Amino acid sequence: QVQLQESGPGLVKPSETLSLTCTVSNGSISSYYWSWIRQSPGKGLEWIGHIYYTGSTNYNPSLKSRVTISVDMSNNQVSLKLSSVAAADTAVYYCARMWYASNWDYYYGMDVWGQGTTVIVSS
Amino acid sequence: EIVLTQSPGTLSLSPGERATLSCRASQSVSSSLLAWYQQKPGQAPRLLIYAASRRATGIPDRFSGSGSGTDFTLTISRLEPEDFAVYYCQRYGNSLTFGGGTKVEIK
Repeated sequence: QVQLQESGPGLVKPSETLSLTCTVSNGSISSYYWSWIRQSPGKGLEWIGHIYYTGSTNYNPSLKSRVTISVDMSNNQVSLKLSSVAAADTAVYYCARMWYASNWDYYYGMDVWGQGTTVIVSS
Repeated sequence: EIVLTQSPGTLSLSPGERATLSCRASQSVSSSLLAWYQQKPGQAPRLLIYAASRRATGIPDRFSGSGSGTDFTLTISRLEPEDFAVYYCQRYGNSLTFGGGTKVEIK
């Protein structure tokens, strides 16, 4: 079955850019949306943004100025960049596959998740 | 922006009991855009319900979703030991949102 694996530095300095990659295995990026979600310690889930396989993106308004999500079809990867990080960006970052049928305005949910990767922002 | 408010924050119940979790939206939400997730400590969330009432693949039938408009409910008919976890509702939209979560704990 499809598996997702997040990877990237576990420690990022304040003001720098956080860069993570989600590698999709046993499946294709095509026809799905790919989302990034984070969870600060002891807190709830926060949607960061998502990308359709065609490259169309949608970002959380509260993070939009700092976020870039991109897709690499040839390597079956989805990437997240979050600039100017601060301590408040310390969190577990998840990627997830999402399926939305725009023709019918029907959302099938985030059905496959990566295990998550912990990112700590500290000098 | 539509805000999802989940209640109660914590639900203390015994195995075998019925759990009723609420998700209230600040504006009307199409039921086709509402999902529920379960998260256990140290694990990624798991999709339980999509389109307000459709069980995801492999989800036991003791989990059910209902509701429309601004009020949605996740019901666990008889709690099993593995059901004690945190549950989140989620709405798909231009700005996708999660509720704050309800923790179901053992009484």
